[in-house]
Amino acid sequence: AQSVTQPDIHITVSEGASLELRCNYSYGATPYLFWYVQSPGQGLQLLLKYFSGDTLVQGIKGFEAEFKRSQSSFNLRKPSVHWSDAAEYFCAVASNTDKLIFGTGTRLQVFP
Amino acid sequence: GAVVSQHPSWVICKSGTSVKIECRSLDFQATTMFWYRQFPKQSLMLMATSNEGSKATYEQGVEKDKFLINHASLTLSTLTVTSAHPEDSSFYICSASAPGRSSSYEQYFGPGTRLTVT
Repeated sequence: AQSVTQPDIHITVSEGASLELRCNYSYGATPYLFWYVQSPGQGLQLLLKYFSGDTLVQGIKGFEAEFKRSQSSFNLRKPSVHWSDAAEYFCAVASNTDKLIFGTGTRLQVFP
Repeated sequence: GAVVSQHPSWVICKSGTSVKIECRSLDFQATTMFWYRQFPKQSLMLMATSNEGSKATYEQGVEKDKFLINHASLTLSTLTVTSAHPEDSSFYICSASAPGRSSSYEQYFGPGTRLTVT
């Protein structure tokens, strides 16, 4: 069965520091992978997605993610975090039935 | 583009009453819409998938008689919580997909509806 694991429930970084949020997936075929961000009380905004091709994917707000098939990972990175990046981040994989399977999320806190 | 709206953004209702939440795709036709439920500080739980003109497909454990879903047109899906109880209080989020626009696997999310049952 497909699944997504986000090992880090809560991460705290200083503003300007680099960031990496981990995501591991379990899926038999080539996965379609997504990263979403959710601010408190809001819906989800798509940061980036991977369907095929270049394994390093650029997204909005300066985020990028790298698909590593050998590690079943799709980690999200940002070289310099801004206070406005504080939010909940969800990794997701699309199943073969068009459903999205979400990880449990990582809450990012940014200190000034 | 690919904007999904929800109405209302928040609603308070009394126990035993029903409440309807609307989900609209504003600038595209959504062949499939999804309804999620999210508890505080938790991930999204898929409740059901609806296709225009068809009966919704509910996930295991979701009461279809309690959570009525109607996908009457390619731009509108509604979720009705019938005989609501305090344990139904939650954040409900809809999403829509549109094959041909990008990928059938990409979903566009609404801003969510906060339901509080007193």
